[in-house]
Amino acid sequence: GIQVEQSPPDLILQEGANSTLRCNFSDSVNNLQWFHQNPWGQLINLFYIPSGTKQNGRLSATTVATERYSLLYISSSQTTDSGVYFCAVGYSSASKIIFGSGTRLSIRP
Amino acid sequence: SAVISQKPSRDICQRGTSLTIQCQVDSQVTMMFWYRQQPGQSLTLIATANQGSEATYESGFVIDKFPISRPNLTFSTLTVSNMSPEDSSIYLCSVVLSSGRIYNEQFFGPGTRLTVL
Repeated sequence: GIQVEQSPPDLILQEGANSTLRCNFSDSVNNLQWFHQNPWGQLINLFYIPSGTKQNGRLSATTVATERYSLLYISSSQTTDSGVYFCAVGYSSASKIIFGSGTRLSIRP
Repeated sequence: SAVISQKPSRDICQRGTSLTIQCQVDSQVTMMFWYRQQPGQSLTLIATANQGSEATYESGFVIDKFPISRPNLTFSTLTVSNMSPEDSSIYLCSVVLSSGRIYNEQFFGPGTRLTVL
């Protein structure tokens, strides 16, 4: 089946820094989503981005489907950005998605 | 997006017992899924909850251990049967909204945090 790899696994930054998280996938996809899991376990939808570029405030994402990767950019990090960031991809008509292993981001004040 | 609620939000159970988790959505949805997130791990799909028919289970998950019901387009239950400490996880439901929305974007409920002693 399709493989989803995220890097780096862990990232520790000072408040105000910028970061880039990467998601590589092994096959063509029809769905790619980025999620933020906050310290309370809630999964928050950040982007639905099977291709192209989107921006939402300090966050932006780019998916290059032909090269099978997606990037999530976080600018001017805040402590509330801490948590785990997951990439998930879908590849069938069944709407199922497969999650990567996540990037744990810690923003220090 | 939709408002998705889960009950209970957390529970502590004894081994050998069963727990039923409910997932309620405030609008009709085409698809509902159940996931497990073991401590410190990513999310793993348990099954697709099919409205009016048996759920479709992923490899490694069986109906006897994780029976699922979906009586209508807004509600589903997942039962964790004959629990052991290895079942301690967060269980999450997710939905794909009906037509008129982005086709297969998934939205997640708040999760049920289960501890088995």
